[in-house]
Amino acid sequence: GAVVSQHPSRVICKSGTSVKIECRSLDFQATTMFWYRQFPKQSLMLMATSNEGSKATYEQGVEKDKFLINHASLTLSTLTVTSAHPEDSSFYICSAPDGGRAKNIQYFGAGTRLSVL
Amino acid sequence: GENVEQHPSTLSVQEGDSAVIKCTYSDSASNYFPWYKQELGKRPQLIIDIRSNVGEKKDQRIAVTLNKTAKHFSLHITETQPEDSAVYFCAARHFNKFYFGSGTKLNVKP
Repeated sequence: GAVVSQHPSRVICKSGTSVKIECRSLDFQATTMFWYRQFPKQSLMLMATSNEGSKATYEQGVEKDKFLINHASLTLSTLTVTSAHPEDSSFYICSAPDGGRAKNIQYFGAGTRLSVL
Repeated sequence: GENVEQHPSTLSVQEGDSAVIKCTYSDSASNYFPWYKQELGKRPQLIIDIRSNVGEKKDQRIAVTLNKTAKHFSLHITETQPEDSAVYFCAARHFNKFYFGSGTKLNVKP
């Protein structure tokens, strides 16, 4: 299947700093990517939809100024957690649907575990 | 958005037995229903999916059924093996966005 690469896999930062997470589709183009947040032993909560060439759309309750999303190209979306605080500590995971070969099947990145001290 | 509910939250079965996980969704506009298996600390992996124009799909020991009228779909795993132990998530695609159930932790006892 298609490959989605996510970096970094783990980040530990001090409160107040910003953290950037990258999500790349390696062997297909993704005009849309999704960002999820997963708390321990809980489900994946959709945060936002990243759209190449236009603004991201955020789910209700997600602060767009807190979680900045940039879809710079057809293979790269970034999520920046601005002024991170301990409550932002979580597992962040991206996904991209391969609209070409396997239409609308989602492929997930390996996730980023963010720990804010 | 869409609201997906999943039951049970935990399921323990003996090796060789069957396991059934059930999900419901709220909006009839949802038209694609994948199931994912997630092992601890790893990315979700698609194991089977079903589209809204199909009532049942089977792939070896795994099957999924869909009842559009009742808006529920189920995952069936037969002849369970210890390596089936993981967290399973159902999802519904609603206007090109995916909404997930709360997950079921399946434990297959050898």
